[in-house]
Amino acid sequence: AQKITQTQPGMFVQEKEAVTLDCTYDTSDPSYGLFWYKQPSSGEMIFLIYQGSYDQQNATEGRYSLNFQKARKSANLVISASQLGDSAMYFCAMREGTPSFGNEKLTFGTGTRLTIIP
Amino acid sequence: KAGVTQTPRYLIKTRGQQVTLSCSPISGHRSVSWYQQTPGQGLQFLFEYFSETQRNKGNFPGRFSGRQFSNSRSEMNVSTLELGDSALYLCASSLARDSALRRGANVLTFGAGSRLTVL
Repeated sequence: AQKITQTQPGMFVQEKEAVTLDCTYDTSDPSYGLFWYKQPSSGEMIFLIYQGSYDQQNATEGRYSLNFQKARKSANLVISASQLGDSAMYFCAMREGTPSFGNEKLTFGTGTRLTIIP
Repeated sequence: KAGVTQTPRYLIKTRGQQVTLSCSPISGHRSVSWYQQTPGQGLQFLFEYFSETQRNKGNFPGRFSGRQFSNSRSEMNVSTLELGDSALYLCASSLARDSALRRGANVLTFGAGSRLTVL
């Protein structure tokens, strides 16, 4: 079974509109972290936002917010007021395990290609 | 603060050759992880090094190996290259804190990647 599922392979959004990128996850570990990364065509993975499994509030970072619904195991990324520079691949990822136990790993979804239309 | 530096950025090899990729982590980061990204398989975890020890390993053949030096810089090596090894190889570093409350909070900072083409 997929640990991280991103069901939207591609999205086209008008500039200045808000956009929601979907992500669902599957884990039995009570302590985990959820991340969103942006990958422009240059290839570098850019960290956007993090949500911990114990965090009570939804994470926000500037124009990015994470809609965390723990019971539904979803962690959707919301980008407000989209800009042309937001065009990129977006990856949802989940971190489980404990570093010193040697079992901490980050699992990525398949990504969503977001294109912002002027 | 300097980011994660990967060299070389691009390289072309032929089948059967070997390749070594280098990664310099962010100063103070002791954990270095490597990922392979291909259009077909997406992002796959290769291995993680911490304090010169391989701490975690993904499901890749023994042709893929790595090491970490005392200054936390890391190298990965692929021997007997195959066409399917063509990929973007991404290195990431993190603090790898083990605090129970923040176990999930170790943000990986990635480098720009090394794009390997095998002919």
